[in-house]
Amino acid sequence: DGGITQSPKYLFRKEGQNVTLSCEQNLNHDAMYWYRQDPGQGLRLIYYSQIVNDFQKGDIAEGYSVSREKKESFPLTVTSAQKNPTAFYLCASTQGQQDTEAFFGQGTRLTVV
Amino acid sequence: AQSVTQLDSQVPVFEEAPVELRCNYSSSVSVYLFWYVQYPNQGLQLLLKYLSGSTLVKGINGFEAEFNKSQTSFHLRKPSVHISDTAEYFCAVSVPYTNAGKSTFGDGTTLTVKP
Repeated sequence: DGGITQSPKYLFRKEGQNVTLSCEQNLNHDAMYWYRQDPGQGLRLIYYSQIVNDFQKGDIAEGYSVSREKKESFPLTVTSAQKNPTAFYLCASTQGQQDTEAFFGQGTRLTVV
Repeated sequence: AQSVTQLDSQVPVFEEAPVELRCNYSSSVSVYLFWYVQYPNQGLQLLLKYLSGSTLVKGINGFEAEFNKSQTSFHLRKPSVHISDTAEYFCAVSVPYTNAGKSTFGDGTTLTVKP
């Protein structure tokens, strides 16, 4: 079945460490996105990529980095520069420029300990 | 720029009662409108969407929504809810001919269905 796979589902990180969240899709979608979700808030866009080897900052990119070396993969690195990284992270994808529906992964819950 | 306001952060309702979750939006251009559902510790799933045409849109799980351009609203309704409808619901907008994933989301409404 086609879909988006995020791993791991739960992740614990010590302060000062970088950590990478995985996002893989087999939908053959062109565009991929990373959102951050905090309790009582909507989704805030971190980074997005419309094609391989290209990506743009979203609304809250500081302290995060991404890469898009393959169409299927869009990993997110949460760096030590991110001041408050504990959150639920969601990866999504869309077919292309005129697509109307976003498909989401199951999310990764990151906790800084 | 677009914005989305979900007017109720929490909506408690008894099983088999009707429910309405309210969503208002602001945009200087025409938009697409969406409702997504999120169950605990899971991703978002599309319930329904309005692109054009009939203002009454039917979605999955018996939900429907009505687009009201004059009131810039897109309220979600269900005539009779079940316990399994307990979840968080997000209204979202995107601008046509741009990536739908780059949407603007409301803060969410938590629907709690009580027996």
